[in-house]
Amino acid sequence: GDSVTQMEGPVTLSEEAFLTINCTYTATGYPSLFWYVQYPGEGLQLLLKATKADDKGSNKGFEATYRKETTSFHLEKGSVQVSDSAVYFCALSAGDSNYQLIWGAGTKLIIKP
Amino acid sequence: NAGVTQTPKFQVLKTGQSMTLQCAQDMNHNSMYWYRQDPGMGLRLIYYSASEGTTDKGEVPNGYNVSRLNKREFSLRLESAAPSQTSVYFCASNLVGSNQPQHFGDGTRLSIL
Repeated sequence: GDSVTQMEGPVTLSEEAFLTINCTYTATGYPSLFWYVQYPGEGLQLLLKATKADDKGSNKGFEATYRKETTSFHLEKGSVQVSDSAVYFCALSAGDSNYQLIWGAGTKLIIKP
Repeated sequence: NAGVTQTPKFQVLKTGQSMTLQCAQDMNHNSMYWYRQDPGMGLRLIYYSASEGTTDKGEVPNGYNVSRLNKREFSLRLESAAPSQTSVYFCASNLVGSNQPQHFGDGTRLSIL
């Protein structure tokens, strides 16, 4: 079945460092891919999405490119801020899963000043 | 624009008590979902409703029931609460289709003593 694998956290970085959070997926067909962010004590918010191969989703300085050849959707940001501290979830949606979201386990990001 | 509204935000129950978590969305979405989130774990789907009048089990349905009251509202009921059901519960909704992101409520933090 479809699945999503994220790098384990927590990931701890200093302010202004470069961020990469790895996400790989297994799916038949052509899934859509998403990154969600959950700030402490809050619900999940959509951060960005990509719906076909080679699409790049971007928002708030974060980017992720849909790489079908490597089945990956890694999240990147050039210069992180303390306010980026949160849990990040990678997810996919595909017809084989009845368009339900298949979730990664989440990666906690801690940014130190 | 309210989006997805969950009530209550916090609740403490005793083992064996029952309660209903309420969820309403004002985005005219077809599909609605109930998840639970436990510490250090990702989201696990309890039940979902692909459209008004239909409900289906997700990954962890035992001990729960749901009602899709109308297109806007989707409730989750615990008939006889158990300590293992202590969790944060999230409701989400979206339009049908693989590229449609889910929109989340702020969650209900439920403790079962």
